[in-house]
Amino acid sequence: DAKTTQPNSMESNEEEPVHLPCNHSTISGTDYIHWYRQLPSQGPEYVIHGLTSNVNNRMASLAIAEDRKSSTLILHRATLRDAAVYYCILRDRPLGNFGNEKLTFGTGTRLTIIP
Amino acid sequence: GAGVSQSPSNKVTEKGKDVELRCDPISGHTALYWYRQSLGQGLEFLIYFQGNSAPDKSGLPSDRFSAERTGGSVSTLTIQRTQQEDSAVYLCASSQAQNQPQHFGDGTRLSIL
Repeated sequence: DAKTTQPNSMESNEEEPVHLPCNHSTISGTDYIHWYRQLPSQGPEYVIHGLTSNVNNRMASLAIAEDRKSSTLILHRATLRDAAVYYCILRDRPLGNFGNEKLTFGTGTRLTIIP
Repeated sequence: GAGVSQSPSNKVTEKGKDVELRCDPISGHTALYWYRQSLGQGLEFLIYFQGNSAPDKSGLPSDRFSAERTGGSVSTLTIQRTQQEDSAVYLCASSQAQNQPQHFGDGTRLSIL
């Protein structure tokens, strides 16, 4: 899988929006951009994913640059429960049925929320 | 609950003992993954199941590690003759279909004394 680059850590004030950047300059045309987060002492949790267009769900928004070489995860109003490590992961489009879609996690961005 | 369930949540054992870790995936999820997370590290892929078959075992670190899945559901990861470097959190994830999110359990924290 292509490599992603994220800041090691970020801080944000509670109830303010948070923009978590991810660079993926070697992304291929068939790579999906996935975001997971891991809260302390829990397993990773899926947040959102997209291919080309911006995506919104109940947890967050994903803004994808036009050239797809970077993306930004947006938490619209951070709460203390959003403190976690956020991982940006590229996943190639499955070639066929039953392909191994193992996730390759980097070191992610540790987000601290300040009350 | 309806999520991925792993047991035990914590396991402490002596070096040289065998351990079995269990994963109950979400009902109907055909794909199942085992990962390992050492202290302060990212997740390391171990093995992938599609149904009861394991087409990719490439992440298993040694022949002391094995896994099986029965009935397309429960999976067991077995570590024989445990070593201190096996200490980690072992995570299981399941997925319903291609390009669908993986749902993780909260893991088993394994400590080898």
